[in-house]
Amino acid sequence: GDSVTQMEGPVTLSEEAFLTINCTYTATGYPSLFWYVQYPGEGLQLLLKATKADDKGSNKGFEATYRKETTSFHLEKGSVQVSDSAVYFCALRDSNYQLIWGAGTKLIIKP
Amino acid sequence: GAGVSQSPSNKVTEKGKDVELRCDPISGHTALYWYRQSLGQGLEFLIYFQGNSAPDKSGLPSDRFSAERTGGSVSTLTIQRTQQEDSAVYLCASSLGTESPLHFGNGTRLTVT
Repeated sequence: GDSVTQMEGPVTLSEEAFLTINCTYTATGYPSLFWYVQYPGEGLQLLLKATKADDKGSNKGFEATYRKETTSFHLEKGSVQVSDSAVYFCALRDSNYQLIWGAGTKLIIKP
Repeated sequence: GAGVSQSPSNKVTEKGKDVELRCDPISGHTALYWYRQSLGQGLEFLIYFQGNSAPDKSGLPSDRFSAERTGGSVSTLTIQRTQQEDSAVYLCASSLGTESPLHFGNGTRLTVT
């Protein structure tokens, strides 16, 4: 079945560092891909999405490009802030409109 | 406007007791999902309601788990004869439709002692 694999955390970086959180997927067909974020004490919220190959989703300085050839959707940010500390989830929407989730990656940004 | 509301935010119960968890979705959202999030794990799909269609119950882990959605709005997840392994955060999400982003509630943290 469809699955999502993302890098294990926690990922600890200093402020202003470059961030990459890897996400790869296996799926039949052409799923939509998502990154959700869960800030401390808050509910999950959509960060960005891409619905077809080569699409780039972006929001709040984060970007991810839908790479069909490598079945990847890596999350990147050029300069992280302490306020970016959160748990990040990669997900795909399968042909039945169900979301398949990665295990989440905890990001810790130190000042 | 109001987001997805879940109650209670925390629930501690004794093994063997029944519990009910409530979810109030965003008004007008036709799709409603229940997920379970265990410590350090991803989201485990439980059940999905879409409009008046029969719910997708394929994720319910056992027959102790059931859910209903009344009037296409409020949903209740019921766990009967709770076990310690049921301890987790139960998340509810709603969306306008099958291709719209999910909006999550803050979850109910269930602890079975």
